[in-house]
Amino acid sequence: GESVGLHLPTLSVQEGDNSIINCAYSNSASDYFIWYKQESGKGPQFIIDIRSNMDKRQGQRVTVLLNKTVKHLSLQIAATQPGDSAVYFCAENRGADGLTFGKGTHLIIQP
Amino acid sequence: NAGVMQNPRHLVRRRGQEARLRCSPMKGHSHVYWYRQLPEEGLKFMVYLQKENIIDESGMPKERFSAEFPKEGPSILRIQQVVRGDSAAYFCASSPPVGREDPDTQYFGPGTRLTVL
Repeated sequence: GESVGLHLPTLSVQEGDNSIINCAYSNSASDYFIWYKQESGKGPQFIIDIRSNMDKRQGQRVTVLLNKTVKHLSLQIAATQPGDSAVYFCAENRGADGLTFGKGTHLIIQP
Repeated sequence: NAGVMQNPRHLVRRRGQEARLRCSPMKGHSHVYWYRQLPEEGLKFMVYLQKENIIDESGMPKERFSAEFPKEGPSILRIQQVVRGDSAAYFCASSPPVGREDPDTQYFGPGTRLTVL
């Protein structure tokens, strides 16, 4: 089965609020994680990544948190904007077999 | 610096025909990955290639599917005798060689949407 999965298939937030998208993984040997954003009809767009020797990494309006104890990853988006509407995937890199993706969370921004 | 390029963006084939999907990695990138995505699902890894070498094809069906990344030119994903179940979006990603940027980060192309009639 999937080693990477997301808790909620759809997340609806008000414009301007913060969004938190969660992800669980099962392989404790994984050492690299990536969040991707995919808009309808487009390819996944790299957002932010984190290695297992870190527990937090910040980008522009986004923060990724990694909790290795419970094998949990989250993506926080600050001050959500309409352009943030998309499906968000976490992906796990376990080596030469490419990335393992979860099913995705659809983020809906309400005006 | 152009991103990953894929063509065609849309491809329609009848059952039994062949489909050829092309991918040009980002400039300077030497690693190419192919993924398949069904509607409302995440991407599934198919194959990982370097120039003239298949590194890992564990995600690719044993029959009808093949991939190559020649010394010159784009990477090709080839599907022979397509069936309706092959209908999906096929994405290519590339990553830089070790020593440049983060070699594990994969950047994706816009995908080829294959429809089998």
